[in-house]
Amino acid sequence: GENVEQHPSTLSVQEGDSAVIKCTYSDSASNYFPWYKQELGKGPQLIIDIRSNVGEKKDQRIAVTLNKTAKHFSLHITETQPEDSAVYFCAANPKGGNTGKLIFGQGTTLQVKP
Amino acid sequence: KAGVTQTPRYLIKTRGQQVTLSCSPISGHRSVSWYQQTPGQGLQFLFEYFSETQRNKGNFPGRFSGRQFSNSRSEMNVSTLELGDSALYLCASSLTRPSQETQYFGPGTRLLVL
Repeated sequence: GENVEQHPSTLSVQEGDSAVIKCTYSDSASNYFPWYKQELGKGPQLIIDIRSNVGEKKDQRIAVTLNKTAKHFSLHITETQPEDSAVYFCAANPKGGNTGKLIFGQGTTLQVKP
Repeated sequence: KAGVTQTPRYLIKTRGQQVTLSCSPISGHRSVSWYQQTPGQGLQFLFEYFSETQRNKGNFPGRFSGRQFSNSRSEMNVSTLELGDSALYLCASSLTRPSQETQYFGPGTRLLVL
């Protein structure tokens, strides 16, 4: 069935270190993979996304990589800052987007210690 | 440009009651999706509306329903509330294709069922 697994569930790093969050999806037809950041009391906010025709995408300190063969994608945050502390969700669109929905991972709570 | 707004922000109801939540999408966005977020189940897709029609539906019982108005504003209704319906209900808007483009989330309505 449709499933997105996300690891780790919690991640604690020192300010300035890198953080990596990994997700695996089950539907090989998925072709859109967004990452969302959710701060306390707010709704999720898109931080970066990648489509299946691209292997890597970068935006300043954030990068996402996609391995279609293995059906997994990862979020990389470099030079972490305390304001990066939040819950991060990965997502994938089952059936190539024909269902109109996104399947979300369970989330990763990232803590960046100053 | 104003973001997605949801009202009310907090709600307390008792079992058996019904509740209506409201969502105003970003101006120009025609698709509105609803998600339920709980600590145990994470973010789960409820349904999506486009041009006043329910276009996609998740795996929730018929007690959960919604509608969209001609100005793209949307409401969702939960009838015969159960304790397990306590959750954060998130609304997200996108231009036309929510599973292929950026979805912008509102801050959510936190519902507590006693």
